Amino acid sequence: ETGVTQTPRHLVMGMTNKKSLKCEQHLGHNAMYWYKQSAKKPLELMFVYNFKEQTENNSVPSRFSPECPNSSHLFLHLHTLQPEDSALYLCASSHAGASYEQYFGPGTRLTVT
Amino acid sequence: TQLLEQSPQFLSIQEGENLTVYCNSSSVFSSLQWYRQEPGEGPVLLVTVVTGGEVKKLKRLTFQFGDARKDSSLHITAAQPGDTGLYLCAGARNQGGKLIFGQGTELSVKP
Repeated sequence: ETGVTQTPRHLVMGMTNKKSLKCEQHLGHNAMYWYKQSAKKPLELMFVYNFKEQTENNSVPSRFSPECPNSSHLFLHLHTLQPEDSALYLCASSHAGASYEQYFGPGTRLTVT
Repeated sequence: TQLLEQSPQFLSIQEGENLTVYCNSSSVFSSLQWYRQEPGEGPVLLVTVVTGGEVKKLKRLTFQFGDARKDSSLHITAAQPGDTGLYLCAGARNQGGKLIFGQGTELSVKP
């Protein structure tokens, strides 16, 4: 595997379900990011991790819970989501001192029913 | 407040035409990136520009960073159907700062 991978690619879940999104980077980076991409809106930064430590939480509701066990893996745990949370969730990575060059995974298309 | 404004938001052209996409801001950025995103995929980094007035070329794509580092443009010569996608500009205020994204330009190149 090369680059940034994300699983699953597609996810449909009910509002009472609990699910997790997974991201793995094979680029030797030490910063990882979660973004939300909704139609007709700019990418919204959700969380930033540098060297496994969370350095940014962009006022994200607590129904989204990130986890970064090491510099290569990032998870987004989801519970009691709302239909408006349906979106493409993108993971990205970069060198910690060069956050301006981020490399993205293919995303998880999430639909909340 | 939208810090990076992209124009146009939608562009539909015929194969072989030229086009320019603009990315404007009232803020100064230390660097600016252009990404292309195809349906069902994540954005792919095309180029990073860091110096005011800098011009970079990637085959038929020409990227320019404004002298004041507040704006950028992407020019595509002789567009091809394979250029179809969402083009995103993103700026960073400093090397360790977060990226601010524009809302994107959806380009459709018809054969």
